[in-house]
Amino acid sequence: EVQLVESGGGLVQPGGPLRLSCAASGFPFSGYWMHWVRQTPGKGLVWVSRIKGDGSSPTYADSVKGRFTISRDNAKNTLYLQMSSLRVDDTAIYYCVRGLALNRFDPWGQGTPVTVSS
Amino acid sequence: QSALTQPASVSGSPGQSITISCTGANNDVGGYNSVSWYQQYPGKAPKLMIYDVSNRPSGASNRFSGSKSGNTASLTISGLQAEDEADYYCSSYSSSDTWVFGGGTKLTVL
Repeated sequence: EVQLVESGGGLVQPGGPLRLSCAASGFPFSGYWMHWVRQTPGKGLVWVSRIKGDGSSPTYADSVKGRFTISRDNAKNTLYLQMSSLRVDDTAIYYCVRGLALNRFDPWGQGTPVTVSS
Repeated sequence: QSALTQPASVSGSPGQSITISCTGANNDVGGYNSVSWYQQYPGKAPKLMIYDVSNRPSGASNRFSGSKSGNTASLTISGLQAEDEADYYCSSYSSSDTWVFGGGTKLTVL
């Protein structure tokens, strides 16, 4: 069974760092692009970042560029999102998602909540 | 990276058909046949229902169909059922190797 399990979310002060992890299982992890997508409570989905299967070509939404870094460890089947200079408006549920094709996000993890507040 | 435009809400009675629109621009919906649709129940993760404009993944009901004309994509649900009541999001690949989602549409089954 294909499974994505996020961890690392929590409460952090504005300006602080946080690292999210996503453990993948049930498929050849290194063969797939991976994405992070976030959802503000009660609001819509927002794409955050993508990394290719070999760890190359990270790309970011303008709202997080320069503050967030996506990476992966294919030996550990794990995706990461290093977040720094966090702002209140980064508060959201962060989903780890497999990219099956150019725009085919499947499946999604259960999400990990991040709250940025003083 | 502007969000795609979806109606905030739509409704229909059991057995009816409804359509949800998703309007973008030439550099996203209109420029690529890479529109997908997701269903989300409260407190749950989104689920893929349509990809590449009109393709259904295995496990998705054949009552769901997708189409695109110009800069607008559409999701149609036929034979509406109570279990279809959920939020629906469209997504498109965009230029500069980024992706964009719609604001979401809440479907109410009357």
